[in-house]
Amino acid sequence: EADIYQTPRYLVIGTGKKITLECSQTMGHDKMYWYQQDPGMELHLIHYSYGVNSTEKGDLSSESTVSRIRTEHFPLTLESARPSHTSQYLCASSNSLGLAGENIQYFGAGTRLSVL
Amino acid sequence: QKEVEQDPGPLSVPEGAIVSLNCTYSNSAFQYFMWYRQYSRKGPELLMYTYSSGNKEDGRFTAQVDKSSKYISLFIRDSQPSDSATYLCAMMGTNAGKSTFGDGTTLTVKP
Repeated sequence: EADIYQTPRYLVIGTGKKITLECSQTMGHDKMYWYQQDPGMELHLIHYSYGVNSTEKGDLSSESTVSRIRTEHFPLTLESARPSHTSQYLCASSNSLGLAGENIQYFGAGTRLSVL
Repeated sequence: QKEVEQDPGPLSVPEGAIVSLNCTYSNSAFQYFMWYRQYSRKGPELLMYTYSSGNKEDGRFTAQVDKSSKYISLFIRDSQPSDSATYLCAMMGTNAGKSTFGDGTTLTVKP
């Protein structure tokens, strides 16, 4: 059972508002990820972090930003929300295990964001 | 061309059927092969993972990897309505950190 938590689960907000989506994991994983997924569509990696103070942009360009000040916490921020940001945002974490370096990702339940 | 191609579906089967879900890939560096199940409006849940070629069984689920053909499969025996979900394959190389996901196959098991 993966212990990775996302809040809020659902968020409806007006255009122009600043929002922060929270993601926390209690597994001590060093790697964390943010994905964007529209209904019925594929996952798109938008940000990832390999450790504290390390963040990288993913394969899909995003106007969001992330920070990694603590191992367990990887918040995602949108400075000015727009309707085009409406989507589901999924957080994941993984760890290097054993000599073979397993990096299996475990996902949170997601935040479903609607921007009006 | 995508690194990972997954049979698009959707797939609809009667309860009790054997289901086969498949992915192909092009990157020969992939060593870890995962299957996730995602229920509607939820995050993906890790079902199984295998390292390199071979089979792995867990209850009604069997994961199969054929690295020579760059082909992986997930078999579900005695499928149940509760198996109705989207199934995602994912792969990564050793120490890669990032996984490459398929687009998902939506399965419906009808009672």
